[in-house]
Amino acid sequence: DSGVTQTPKHLITATGQRVTLRCSPRSGDLSVYWYQQSLDQGLQFLIQYYNGEERAKGNILERFSAQQFPDLHSELNLSSLELGDSALYFCASSLEGPSETQYFGPGTRLLVL
Amino acid sequence: GQNIDQPTEMTATEGAIVQINCTYQTSGFNGLFWYQQHAGEAPTFLSYNVLDGLEEKGRFSSFLSRSKGYSYLLLKELQMKDSASYLCAVRNSGQNFVFGPGTRLSVLP
Repeated sequence: DSGVTQTPKHLITATGQRVTLRCSPRSGDLSVYWYQQSLDQGLQFLIQYYNGEERAKGNILERFSAQQFPDLHSELNLSSLELGDSALYFCASSLEGPSETQYFGPGTRLLVL
Repeated sequence: GQNIDQPTEMTATEGAIVQINCTYQTSGFNGLFWYQQHAGEAPTFLSYNVLDGLEEKGRFSSFLSRSKGYSYLLLKELQMKDSASYLCAVRNSGQNFVFGPGTRLSVLP
């Protein structure tokens, strides 16, 4: 158990819908990272937050947005869902920056039908 | 462009040593990471290199040569539980992580 929690574990929805994925980092960790993993594209970095502020942005689509709240939990919002958004979404946290160990949550498996 | 190359699959025998190579071409460099991922599970952080040289951590070691755009992960005394995918990732100058396709390692008895 990494100490990072993600909810929900599984999510099935339809094209065009909007969903919110939630992540609670390990106690004391200030940085949160979001990743997407699909069979055809491998693991892709989406975005990083540090203590409530966006720190780095990767291959995150405009239909996707994220935020980190004062209690340091983070949410990833996916809207206008398409079939290709079906993937595993991982959240990870680290104490401060990426040079430190990143602990991954168990992931949310999203299926868009 | 940004590109990271790793062998797709490797096979080794229990107790042996295996070296997984990673070559990269990215826009800037702010560190190289190795992760282990068992099928159906989340990745696990293995190592971080930002300076040239070898970093050793138990049975696992990671090497970096920035001038060559090259890294390797060395696994010693292989165990069956080391069968997994190994992901190489580089953090570029834009602070983004670029991941390789992963190397699927099979450890045979």
